[in-house]
This record gives sequence, C-alpha cells and structure tokens, in this order.
Amino acid sequence: NAGVTQTPKFRVLKTGQSMTLLCAQDMNHEYMYWYRQDPGMGLRLIHYSVGEGTTAKGEVPDGYNVSRLKKQNFLLGLESAAPSQTSVYFCASSSAGYEKLFFGSGTQLSVL
Amino acid sequence: RKEVEQDPGPFNVPEGATVAFNCTYSNSASQSFFWYRQDCRKEPKLLMSVYSSGNEDGRFTAQLNRASQYISLLIRDSKLSDSATYLCVVNKGGSYIPTFGRGTSLIVHP
Repeated sequence: NAGVTQTPKFRVLKTGQSMTLLCAQDMNHEYMYWYRQDPGMGLRLIHYSVGEGTTAKGEVPDGYNVSRLKKQNFLLGLESAAPSQTSVYFCASSSAGYEKLFFGSGTQLSVL
Repeated sequence: RKEVEQDPGPFNVPEGATVAFNCTYSNSASQSFFWYRQDCRKEPKLLMSVYSSGNEDGRFTAQLNRASQYISLLIRDSKLSDSATYLCVVNKGGSYIPTFGRGTSLIVHP
C-alpha cells in the first residue's frame, strides 16, 4: 500500500552541487506534481506532468528540471543548487487534474 | 490579487468551539475545490472535497459559493487534535492545475 514515495527524505547540499529527487507512485496516475513549501508561502508548484513523456512549468520553475520517462516516476533535478532552494519539497499525484492529490512524505533540502 | 487567498490566522479557540475559515479564489473557471489538513510541515492530507451542494463529514462542513467565489470550512465542537494548518486547494478549469492557498493555522487550547 505504498501510494506516493519520495526519496530521499533529507539532504544537505553545498552551493553548486547537483541532485535528483525521485517521486514514485503505484496508483497508475496520469498527473504528477512537484511543489516546494517555504514558511508563510504555502505550497508553490514547480513543475508538473500530465502523462508519461510530458512536463510543464509551474509557478516557480527556475533552477529546476524534471523528467517523466516512466509513468510511475517523476524526477526533479537541481543542476546547481543555491541557498534559495532550501525548502521542503512535496511530490503529489492524481488520476485527473480535477481530482484529489496524493502526497509523498516530503524531502527536507538544505543548501549551504 | 492572488489566485487563492486564505487568512493565515492563527485562529486560537477553546475546545468545544465552532470555528469557520474562508478561502477566496480569483478564477471563475475553477472546477474543483478541496480542503487539506497539514500537521507540522508533514505532507498535506485530504480533509474534504467541496461540492456545489455543500457537504458534511462529522464535525466538518464545507460549502462553495460560486457567485462570490469562495469556499468555507466549518469545524464544530473543536478538539485539541484539530490543531493544524488547513489548506484550501482550487483546480483551475482548462489546465486543471491545483493551486494552494497559504493555509490557515488553527490552534485549539484546553
């Protein structure tokens, strides 16, 4: 009964390092999303995907790239991490764009 | 004007109180509406979907007012365990991108 799984749960990076966050869902959902949450800012959409092989920019896409090579996986990449990317990252999926979201447990990322 | 707006609070209420939150949205083409609950920066969890006719789940009642473009959440007989942040989510018509409000903080005290 996995649902949405995010890895890693915690990560500390130095400025300029790169990393990839993995989101995997086992519910055969078409839609997948990456959000970041900062204090007082709510959840802001970084990128999203409406199906395998598709990606689109959200509200705050700069500094991030994504890929959806397989339907069940949605990867978020930081090519050159910056302190402004220190945040909590949540992945979510849904069966359709107007349906409820299922969330992963989040990734706490600190960039020093 | 932000797409989805909520009063951040905090709403500080005693146990047993009734409390209500509103959430306004700017896009009249919005198609679906939800309330999520979030505890201490953990992942948000669905509390209720919001339907045009209104819906109730135990102590929680959600309503939608399309004419005034807001949704509401009413919590009756508040419990200590209701202390959390309540997030309003609105899905825009067409692109169906879920947009979050900043959340309303509720603190229920003894």
